[in-house]
Order: sequence, then structure tokens, then C-alpha cells
Amino acid sequence: AQTVTQSQPEMSVQEAETVTLSCTYDTSESDYYLFWYKQPPSRQMILVIRQEAYKQQNATENRFSVNFQKAAKSFSLKISDSQLGDAAMYFCAYPYNNNDMRFGAGTRLTVKP
Amino acid sequence: AAGVIQSPRHLIKEKRETATLKCYPIPRHDTVYWYQQGPGQDPQFLISFYEKMQSDKGSIPDRFSAQQFSDYHSELNMSSLELGDSALYFCASSWRGKDTQYFGPGTRLTVL
Repeated sequence: AQTVTQSQPEMSVQEAETVTLSCTYDTSESDYYLFWYKQPPSRQMILVIRQEAYKQQNATENRFSVNFQKAAKSFSLKISDSQLGDAAMYFCAYPYNNNDMRFGAGTRLTVKP
Repeated sequence: AAGVIQSPRHLIKEKRETATLKCYPIPRHDTVYWYQQGPGQDPQFLISFYEKMQSDKGSIPDRFSAQQFSDYHSELNMSSLELGDSALYFCASSWRGKDTQYFGPGTRLTVL
């Protein structure tokens, strides 16, 4: 069964510093997508970044970047120059059969001023 | 850019009542997904539709049904509501069922 694991229930970072959130996943597919979603206190699920497995280059979106290690099935999210607005629950996600988005348990990020 | 629209945003029902949640996907998106997120949990997949046909089914109770209409909007019908159905219900949409899923703001259902 495809699963997504986030081993850090909570993380904390000082404003303007860098933090990395970890994620591992399990799949037998060779071509797939991986996602990070952010869920702030408003509970809206916001797409942060997407990685296509066949692309060797790590995805980057402004201050957000990933470290994708396909062989190790690892997909970490790096947030640079952390801002107070980055405080949220972050979910790593994998779309099983291109339908059923499987989420990790989430990492709650706190940003300290 | 237009986003996924869900209505209502909040809904309060009594046990054994019925509820209907609506979802309007991003324009030109043809695939709709429904998720349920309980307190402190990650979202769980319920059901999806591609071009108005059911494409996949997850842990959706038999008391729930859903459909996608000709204009691609979708409705989730929930009957014989139970206390445990209280949750945040998300709709997401994508193009061709193989692309990024964009989530709506959710409908918060409270069953009393």
C-alpha cells in the first residue's frame, strides 16, 4: 500500500531562518507527482509546491524548495527566510492512482518572531 | 485566478438529518474529488469523478452519495447524519484527473 510518512509532528523556526520538513513515501510507480500543501489556521488547503518524479531537478517556488531523492523515496521541504505567515500545518501528499491523494500526518510549523 | 468554490461554508445539522454539499471546480477542470478531514487528522479521500463518471472510491460511507453534473459541479449528499460525520469536507479539482489537485475552502459540517 502506498503511504506517506512525516516523522516530525512539530517544528519551530526563528523568523528569517531556514527550516526543513521531512517526508518519506512508498510507491511502486516510476512516474508520479509529489506535493506539499499548507493548512493555516483558516483550514484552507493551499498548494505550496509540486515535484514530478521523472524530473531530476528539484522544484522551487520562491522561498520554498524541495530535496527530492527518488531512490530513497524522500521528499523534504525547505523554507528559507521564514516569515510569520508561514506558520501552519504542512502536509506531504502523494496521489495514489492519480486520484486518492494520500497525506502524511502533517508537521505543525511554528515561526518565532 | 478563479478557485474552487464550495457551499455552504458552514452547516449545522441534527442527527439523522440529511445534508447536501456543493462544489464548483476551477473553470475547465473536469475532475472533482471529495475529502473528509476530522479534527486533528489529515484529509481522507471519499470519492472522485472524471467527466461526470465516478472514477475512484475511497472510504465513503454507504449513507453518502455524490455525483457530477453536466456543468462539472459536484454534490455530496449525506443522509442519516451521525455525530461522527462532523468534519471539514473539502472538494478539489484538477484537469484530466492527472494533474495537481486544487482544494476549495471546505465546508465545516457540525452534527448535533
